[in-house]
Amino acid sequence: DSGVTQTPKHLITATGQRVTLRCSPRSGDLSVYWYQQSLDQGLQFLIQYYNGEERAKGNILERFSAQQFPDLHSELNLSSLELGDSALYFCASSVGAGSEKLFFGSGTQLSVL
Amino acid sequence: AQSVAQPEDQVNVAEGNPLTVKCTYSVSGNPYLFWYVQYPNRGLQFLLKYITGDNLVKGSYGFEAEFNKSQTSFHLKKPSALVSDSALYFCAVGLWMDSSYKLIFGSGTRLLVRP
Repeated sequence: DSGVTQTPKHLITATGQRVTLRCSPRSGDLSVYWYQQSLDQGLQFLIQYYNGEERAKGNILERFSAQQFPDLHSELNLSSLELGDSALYFCASSVGAGSEKLFFGSGTQLSVL
Repeated sequence: AQSVAQPEDQVNVAEGNPLTVKCTYSVSGNPYLFWYVQYPNRGLQFLLKYITGDNLVKGSYGFEAEFNKSQTSFHLKKPSALVSDSALYFCAVGLWMDSSYKLIFGSGTRLLVRP
């Protein structure tokens, strides 16, 4: 168990809908990262938050947004969903803002029908 | 552009034989190098990392990786494979860009160890 908790584990929704994925980092970790894993794109970095502030941005679509709350949990919001958004979304956490190892949650499997 | 390449989609080895999973990178500067492993229905788990120092890095579960600066490679190795090593392995490069740290993953290599 990595100590990173992601909910829900599975999510099935329809095109055009909006969903929220939740992540609780390991106790003491200040950074939260979001990744998208799909068969054709591999593991893509979406966004990082450190102690409540956006720290780095990757290949995150404008339809997607995220935030990190004062208690350090994070939410990834996906809106106007398309079939191509179906993927496994991982959250990871680390103590600092970079260079350390990341601890990954088990992921949320999103299926857009 | 910064990139990480894992040239093999799958590596097949017999149990007890040595294994190598290849990784090369193309980045500017001196990156941090990592290997992660993903078991079915699980998140990625850290195996080892190289920042500086000895080119041979030892990690979890008997794995090690060799850093080669001239070839910009960071191959993962294990002297004797186990069936339980079968999983998806990711090489990753960490680097500071525009005052932020980014971890870039390779496409992954599936390791299949047959009994």
